[in-house]
Amino acid sequence: DIQMTQSPSTLSASVGDRVTITCRASQSISSWLAWYQQKPGKAPNLLIYKASNLESGVPSRFSGRGSGTEFTLTISSLQPDDFATYYCQQYDTSWTFGQGTKVEIK
Amino acid sequence: EVQLVESGGGLVQPGRSLRLSCTASGFTSGAYAMSWFRQAPGKGLEWVGFIGTKAFGGTTEYAASVKGRFSISRDDSKSIAYLQMNSLKTDDTAVYYCTRSLVEVVAARSVSTYYYVDVWGEGTTVTVSS
Repeated sequence: DIQMTQSPSTLSASVGDRVTITCRASQSISSWLAWYQQKPGKAPNLLIYKASNLESGVPSRFSGRGSGTEFTLTISSLQPDDFATYYCQQYDTSWTFGQGTKVEIK
Repeated sequence: EVQLVESGGGLVQPGRSLRLSCTASGFTSGAYAMSWFRQAPGKGLEWVGFIGTKAFGGTTEYAASVKGRFSISRDDSKSIAYLQMNSLKTDDTAVYYCTRSLVEVVAARSVSTYYYVDVWGEGTTVTVSS
């Protein structure tokens, strides 16, 4: 199975900050990676697919980069609505998620 | 509006069965692969199973943790997907999400398909406890 490791597990930041979350795969997954945002009690919401493609309707402050085994999700200027938990997910072979990164208010 | 609505969750004893339903609206469900995911209380997300479209053979795949106990089916005439859960364990306690997947087909020396989830239902809670 392909293991996904996110870092950090928790990130404390302020409104307006630039934040980056890293996701590493245990083997190459090419660009078959998605990022999701989840708020408490809600279903996840797709942000990025195929490593760097912004889902329709998602604000442009979100961006994704990477290929192979290392990927990043960047929020260019953190907004109040962005405090949530973020998950990466590989879909190269079955589907596995990182453990999540909680973005909290500093 | 594209929407997925799960139903059928509840409290069930270990060893018993439960069937979840996922009703799709706002799109032609038969044209999309569907998957189920789950999230145990306070935990991360876990893939449960997948069912492809009839055009791609309607194949099913399951996570190792549920293989042989869970099965997925679909009735495209009713726009419903099902998750049949048998021999339930306390570890199966979770919110279960029904999802729609988009596919990218890559044709090189062979044809490969890659599915990512673009729509999630709101989830239904399954509690396995005596």
